Amino acid sequence: QVQLVESGGGVVQPGRSLRLSCAASGFTFSNYGMHWVRQAPGKGLEWLAVIWYDGSHTYSADSVKGRFTISRDNFKNILFLQLNSLRADDTAVYYCARDVGKYDQGVFDFWGQGTLVAVSS
Amino acid sequence: DIQMTQSPSTLSASVGDRVTITCRASQSISRWLAWYQQKPGKAPKLLIYKASSLESGVPSRFSGSGSGTEFTLTISSLQPDDFATYCCQQYDGHPWTFGQGTKVEI
Repeated sequence: QVQLVESGGGVVQPGRSLRLSCAASGFTFSNYGMHWVRQAPGKGLEWLAVIWYDGSHTYSADSVKGRFTISRDNFKNILFLQLNSLRADDTAVYYCARDVGKYDQGVFDFWGQGTLVAVSS
Repeated sequence: DIQMTQSPSTLSASVGDRVTITCRASQSISRWLAWYQQKPGKAPKLLIYKASSLESGVPSRFSGSGSGTEFTLTISSLQPDDFATYCCQQYDGHPWTFGQGTKVEI
């Protein structure tokens, strides 16, 4: 069955960096676009970034553009999100999610359980 | 960015009730709308896409309708497992945006 398992979250000071990982299994990872979505405490979902099946194209939300970078390793079936210059308002649970297609249709049919990033001094 | 507004924010209901949740988009999104269910501490689950297409494995008591700027999610007969938060999401264009969620509680 499809499984997405995030890791790499934790408590980090403002201005520091973190790299999140999402290990995929149970499907052909290299056939799907992949996304990162976050949810701040008590808030709604916020889409962050997408990467095409082959890694050739990425798109990011303006709120994280220039600070967060999405990437993937199709040999190891892992999705990444590099978080730089972290701020207090980046505190959230970060989810990886699979797109229904190869590119960025924008429908998320499987999600991981999330990893918590807490930015605090 | 396209703003998605859901109503109500919270809905009190009982098992067996018919429940309707509304989602409005700030501009027309045709039928590019999905609905998700989320339980506390869990990942969202896709219920409906393209406004009214039921995701595989989702019970038929869930249905969606609408187009343009106004959409509804209906649960025909609420079951104990359905007490959760529901959110809509537009995928007409980047950036994809979500509604703030509707909590269905007893």
